[in-house]
Amino acid sequence: KQEVTQIPAALSVPEGENLVLNCSFTDSAIYNLQWFRQDPGKGLTSLLLIQSSQREQTSGRLNASLDKSSGRSTLYIAASQPGDSATYLCAAPIGAGGTSYGKLTFGQGTILTVHP
Amino acid sequence: DTEVTQTPKHLVMGMTNKKSLKCEQHMGHRAMYWYKQKAKKPPELMFVYSYEKLSINESVPSRFSPECPNSSLLNLHLHALQPEDSALYLCASSQEAGLHQPQHFGDGTRLSIL
Repeated sequence: KQEVTQIPAALSVPEGENLVLNCSFTDSAIYNLQWFRQDPGKGLTSLLLIQSSQREQTSGRLNASLDKSSGRSTLYIAASQPGDSATYLCAAPIGAGGTSYGKLTFGQGTILTVHP
Repeated sequence: DTEVTQTPKHLVMGMTNKKSLKCEQHMGHRAMYWYKQKAKKPPELMFVYSYEKLSINESVPSRFSPECPNSSLLNLHLHALQPEDSALYLCASSQEAGLHQPQHFGDGTRLSIL
């Protein structure tokens, strides 16, 4: 059974700081890992998806890495801005083999606050 | 702007009412999902439709009834809900219901049961 953990639960940083959000998973036979952002009262916005064959994905100021052997993924945000304030969730498919029909296991999320 | 559209954005209903939540996507995706999200918790999967057929029902009470009339539409019919069903209901879609497919979410319907 895949379990996903995110640390820290909350993070507050000043604007301009580079930061790292952590996501750990228990089943290293992972197919991919997806990072989402959620603003209060809104749905999830997909940020990055890393396939198991990849080690990194980049989109603008965001960089996500995946280390299957250690069971970890990190989301690096460069030069943080107040607009980056949101909850960040990571999610992995349940079950490495067969058909999981898109079932995802989510971490509990990291609440990020970037203050001016 | 999201490519998955959910209506209504907010819904308040009594425990004896019948209402429906709607979800629409025009990305040609063949898998659609319903999630329930309580405050400060991650989303919990309720149902998965693949090629308009129900693939997964995560032991959801029968007072929630999903329907997929076509590949672009997904409904969630509600009847005799309980106060604990108050939550944000999220719809998502993906190319197919496979392991390698990213899921795209709508903004959700905020449901309050009186």
